[in-house]
Amino acid sequence: DTGVSQNPRHKITKRGQNVTFRCDPISEHNRLYWYRQTLGQGPEFLTYFQNEAQLEKSRLLSDRFSAERPKGSFSTLEIQRTEQGDSAMYLCASSPGLDKRETQYFGPGTRLLVL
Amino acid sequence: GEDVEQSLFLSVREGDSSVINCTYTDSSSTYLYWYKQEPGAGLQLLTYIFSNMDMKQDQRLTVLLNKKDKHLSLRIADTQTGDSAIYFCAERNTGFQKLVFGTGTRLLVSP
Repeated sequence: DTGVSQNPRHKITKRGQNVTFRCDPISEHNRLYWYRQTLGQGPEFLTYFQNEAQLEKSRLLSDRFSAERPKGSFSTLEIQRTEQGDSAMYLCASSPGLDKRETQYFGPGTRLLVL
Repeated sequence: GEDVEQSLFLSVREGDSSVINCTYTDSSSTYLYWYKQEPGAGLQLLTYIFSNMDMKQDQRLTVLLNKKDKHLSLRIADTQTGDSAIYFCAERNTGFQKLVFGTGTRLLVSP
């Protein structure tokens, strides 16, 4: 089992540009989550998918952010018109989606720097 | 509302035990987790405990839960230099999927 993978691992962009990140969950995991982690803080929940349905969204997810999971496998997180405050580590996690007692397994993250 | 608090820093000597503490405010928290994060890396799940348990042991790790005081602790026995990392406590309520994390405790293990 290869674990959760994320691409790219690092992204540097200029303010105002759009960026897209990809997450591939553990094979056969039905649930997929996005979190954001800023320096010196714990991760903060952004959104989660059950298969292709987006079921929960944080108020942190402004209208510049959009997440998709079109076929219930990989997911993308797009940030439009990036701002310096978007600089953070974006973490993806997945879980089996079979049981309320399940746990979330995290990927290595994508570190975004907005100049 | 939900809030999870941890002390920021802990320093121990190799071979000693480490105890990392966490408090949470939401009484309906049902699932509690400990994750480890090494520099520049994602989060590694260490262990978890459900609110109907008081203690869970997993090799060098012991988790204690005091529901009355809403206090969770992680004890690492025979701490090694490879245990140096940031440790996050997280809680999740029944019926919701999001994890709420603390700010993390940086553990430094010196030889």
